[in-house]
Amino acid sequence: GENVEQHPSTLSVQEGDSAVIKCTYSDSASNYFPWYKQELGKRPQLIIDIRSNVGEKKDQRIAVTLNKTAKHFSLHITETQPEDSAVYFCAASKDSGAGSYQLTFGKGTKLSVIP
Amino acid sequence: GAVVSQHPSRVICKSGTSVKIECRSLDFQATTMFWYRQFPKQSLMLMATSNEGSKATYEQGVEKDKFLINHASLTLSTLTVTSAHPEDSSFYICSAGEGIGGQPQHFGDGTRLSIL
Repeated sequence: GENVEQHPSTLSVQEGDSAVIKCTYSDSASNYFPWYKQELGKRPQLIIDIRSNVGEKKDQRIAVTLNKTAKHFSLHITETQPEDSAVYFCAASKDSGAGSYQLTFGKGTKLSVIP
Repeated sequence: GAVVSQHPSRVICKSGTSVKIECRSLDFQATTMFWYRQFPKQSLMLMATSNEGSKATYEQGVEKDKFLINHASLTLSTLTVTSAHPEDSSFYICSAGEGIGGQPQHFGDGTRLSIL
């Protein structure tokens, strides 16, 4: 099955600096890669996603890049703010049959933005 | 935006009790819903895929007789933890997918289950 590795497990940055979180996946058939932000005790919230036919996607301070050949994708947060502090999860997905896409999650990165 | 409602948010009960958790997609129809379990400071582990009108597909190691899933309509899936024991205590989260192939998935608020 799919295996998603995520690094680093913890990341501390100064407010205003950039943060980068990297993930690799094992199944070349995976074609959808979302990123979720989860604050303590709350639901994971989708912040950005990318499909395999695109190499990069940007939404204001957040961007995701995908390298299909190397099977890795990264989340980039620029101009970080204290409210960006949370746990971030990457995930990979493909059609598991009968049209349902199952997500395989990375282990998460705890981002701390220091004011 | 797509909203997924999950109830209850918190359950505390005695060992041996059965607990039902509901997951509803409020503004879209979801042929497929997913149930996850999350331990403290860990990632989300998929327990089962819930398909409307058919039997759920369970991940390896998840007891189907322990975790009963019913997906009776396009907007409702339920997870029943039968005869719960302290080791079943965890954070359970559902998700429902919209769009092509059920993506992106939107998550409910989760249910924190504590078995005494």
